[in-house]
Amino acid sequence: KQEVTQIPAALSVPEGENLVLNCSFTDSAIYNLQWFRQDPGKGLTSLLLIQSSQREQTSGRLNASLDKSSGRSTLYIAASQPGDSATYLCAVRAGRTQGGSEKLVFGKGTKLTVNP
Amino acid sequence: SAVISQKPSRDICQRGTSLTIQCQVDSQVTMMFWYRQQPGQSLTLIATANQGSEATYESGFVIDKFPISRPNLTFSTLTVSNMSPEDSSIYLCSVTGVLAKNIQYFGAGTRLSVL
Repeated sequence: KQEVTQIPAALSVPEGENLVLNCSFTDSAIYNLQWFRQDPGKGLTSLLLIQSSQREQTSGRLNASLDKSSGRSTLYIAASQPGDSATYLCAVRAGRTQGGSEKLVFGKGTKLTVNP
Repeated sequence: SAVISQKPSRDICQRGTSLTIQCQVDSQVTMMFWYRQQPGQSLTLIATANQGSEATYESGFVIDKFPISRPNLTFSTLTVSNMSPEDSSIYLCSVTGVLAKNIQYFGAGTRLSVL
């Protein structure tokens, strides 16, 4: 059974700091990995998608890496800002739902606070 | 991308009652997904809603507790029946991108508290 773990559960940093969020998964047989941002009352926003054949993806100040063989992904945030404060979720697409589609398995998230 | 509207955004309900959550998508999609996020826990898939057929439920979830309707390709409802405090969660509607099928999109969620 695929399990996704995110460390740390919470992180507080001063503005301007570079930081890394970690995600690990137990089964390397994944289709892709997606990082989301969750803001209270605003649902989930997709940040980056890494296909299983890729090593990393970049979007602005965000860089996500994937090491499928070791079951690890990292989300690097450069020059953090107070607006980056949110919960960051990692999800792997692996296996099948009862409905036959590819299944998303989520971690519990890392709650990030960036202090001005 | 897909824009998903979900309502209500939050509700406080009494034990034993039922709540129906609505999800509207701005484009036609084959599958719509309903997730639950219990406090401090990860998102868990409840069921997949297909237009024209019954929803398919994941292990641990049953139709009597979470009946789902899917009358057309842009709309679905999830009902949380005979609620107890353990049903207090965020419920989220989700779809896969129409063009970018690997990307998952989510509604803002419904925060449910059961007293």
